[in-house]
Amino acid sequence: ILNVEQSPQSLHVQEGDSTNFTCSFPSSNFYALHWYRWETAKSPEALFVMTLNGDEKKKGRISATLNTKEGYSYLYIKGSQPEDSATYLCAFNTGTASKLTFGTGTRLQVTL
Amino acid sequence: NAGVMQNPRHLVRRRGQEARLRCSPMKGHSHVYWYRQLPEEGLKFMVYLQKENIIDESGMPKERFSAEFPKEGPSILRIQQVVRGDSAAYFCASFPGLDTDTQYFGPGTRLTVL
Repeated sequence: ILNVEQSPQSLHVQEGDSTNFTCSFPSSNFYALHWYRWETAKSPEALFVMTLNGDEKKKGRISATLNTKEGYSYLYIKGSQPEDSATYLCAFNTGTASKLTFGTGTRLQVTL
Repeated sequence: NAGVMQNPRHLVRRRGQEARLRCSPMKGHSHVYWYRQLPEEGLKFMVYLQKENIIDESGMPKERFSAEFPKEGPSILRIQQVVRGDSAAYFCASFPGLDTDTQYFGPGTRLTVL
């Protein structure tokens, strides 16, 4: 994999459903994997930064895991709420201050 | 601590005019990045600057685009002689350089070229 790939491209779930997305990234020359939550007309909001293989991070109902050996990360949302509706972006970089290379995002819509 | 500020939020220019986009990083952040989102595409890196220095401009188009981050004041992304293909959302991110690996994003400037 040369670029960041995210799947699915979009997802529509009911309130209360749990869901997960995938981010695949190049496993060579890897420094950190970043997850952002992005609502329309707002700033992308940083959720997690993970650097170590096996890292797991959690923030409320949202959690993420990282596998640097095979080059993937999962983002999980437990008990989705309408306010979770947003585009979820992942990005990787090759050094602490280096540029971020983004995927195209997973657009999540949660309905009542 | 105010977040990353960008202005204007919306900018309309006619073909051939100049566009100037401003980014004020978070207080204490000395690293600034510019990213662009073209229609139907993801965020793409353009340039990375520290105070008075361009560190990485590998994503900048070779012509008409320039960026600066002076010792005092905001970072400026300048696009000369704009064309319709420059219509996009331009995002700025800042980074403190210490204690975190997170880049903090502004709300973006949406440039429309008529």
